[in-house]
Amino acid sequence: QQPVQSPQAVILREGEDAVINCSSSKALYSVHWYRQKHGEAPVFLMILLKGGEQKGHDKISASFNEKKQQSSLYLTASQLSYSGTYFCGTEILNNLFFGTGTRLTVIP
Amino acid sequence: DVKVTQSSRYLVKRTGEKVFLECVQDMDHENMFWYRQDPGLGLRLIYFSYDVKMKEKGDIPEGYSVSREKKERFSLILESASTNQTSMYLCASSLGAGGQVHEQYFGPGTRLTVT
Repeated sequence: QQPVQSPQAVILREGEDAVINCSSSKALYSVHWYRQKHGEAPVFLMILLKGGEQKGHDKISASFNEKKQQSSLYLTASQLSYSGTYFCGTEILNNLFFGTGTRLTVIP
Repeated sequence: DVKVTQSSRYLVKRTGEKVFLECVQDMDHENMFWYRQDPGLGLRLIYFSYDVKMKEKGDIPEGYSVSREKKERFSLILESASTNQTSMYLCASSLGAGGQVHEQYFGPGTRLTVT
């Protein structure tokens, strides 16, 4: 039930954009996104709910396609502080299943 | 701010020892979780609890047990530690109201090495 994330890793220069994808084989009620910086705990970014409501971050956006059971995280005009590992969590039957993560590195 | 604390950042134990990992949260959250994090495998749920004295198995409960005697505290127990339990262990908590999965707040993690 673990969602699949792609890409596994990406390197960007400051100011470039990136998209991280998350897909599940099961019907989803919601998708959560978290970021974990090196040596730190994962931190919540946003939740996307079935029906389109989105709650969370002001500089990073995301989409949720319920029919395709997919979500994408969009990071635009990336900053050095965006570096870290991004995890999606898919809500299935009141449980949250995390993906394997996408390591994002932003270089000057 | 929600604070989730874990008893140790680093722990080294010998094979066969009984290991206790403690987690405390200060926001009166109903739900608490234990995950292990391994390179390439992401976050995998070991056990979770929706209320005091309640526990549910996650994806990988084998070799672990948990205890929740008070709302703010959730303990992970390795009955007989083995080398394949060497990992980073993360505790998290969240609200439990409304039948919806809420955002989770994570502790700093305990890096356990079993030799």
